[in-house]
Amino acid sequence: GQQVMQIPQYQHVQEGEDFTTYCNSSTTLSNIQWYKQRPGGHPVFLIQLVKSGEVKKQKRLTFQFGEAKKNSSLHITATQTTDVGTYFCAGPFVKKLVFGQGTRLTINP
Amino acid sequence: ETGVTQSPTHLIKTRGQQVTLRCSSQSGHNTVSWYQQALGQGPQFIFQYYREEENGRGNFPPRFSGLQFPNYSSELNVNALELDDSALYLCASSLGLAGGRGTQYFGPGTRLLVL
Repeated sequence: GQQVMQIPQYQHVQEGEDFTTYCNSSTTLSNIQWYKQRPGGHPVFLIQLVKSGEVKKQKRLTFQFGEAKKNSSLHITATQTTDVGTYFCAGPFVKKLVFGQGTRLTINP
Repeated sequence: ETGVTQSPTHLIKTRGQQVTLRCSSQSGHNTVSWYQQALGQGPQFIFQYYREEENGRGNFPPRFSGLQFPNYSSELNVNALELDDSALYLCASSLGLAGGRGTQYFGPGTRLLVL
């Protein structure tokens, strides 16, 4: 079936360390979207990648879309306590958006 | 803030009851999608409404049904509630018949507990 897998499921880092989460799709995607959900909150859109091999940056966050458009990654440089939350990737399949199970990031200040 | 609102914020029901959840989409958005998010999981797509018609459905039984109104607001109805229906129900609005390609703007969700 249509699957979007994310690893790791959990990641705990010291403040200032880097963080990376990886996303893999069972099929080629037209685009990949990333969302962040703070504890007790709702998913908030971060970015959409469309082109093969695309790299986009938002301050300390770097997003990549693989050449085959089946995988993606989110890298955070020098984490801060405000980065705490769960990061989801999501890909469109026919008429629905399929989310990965997310990577929960916790940070030791 | 996305401009997407949901009501109620929290709800407690008993098994077998029926529930209606409501969503007002962001101004200008004509597409509403509903998701179920169980604890520790990613959002699972329930269905999407575009211009008052269902346009795409996930793997949910028929007791999950919905409506979209001319002002693009929407309702999610769940009949014969089961314990496993306990979850955060998220509404997301977007523009156009994106089929999942468009950015989803999520509301704050309704947390449903079924006892």
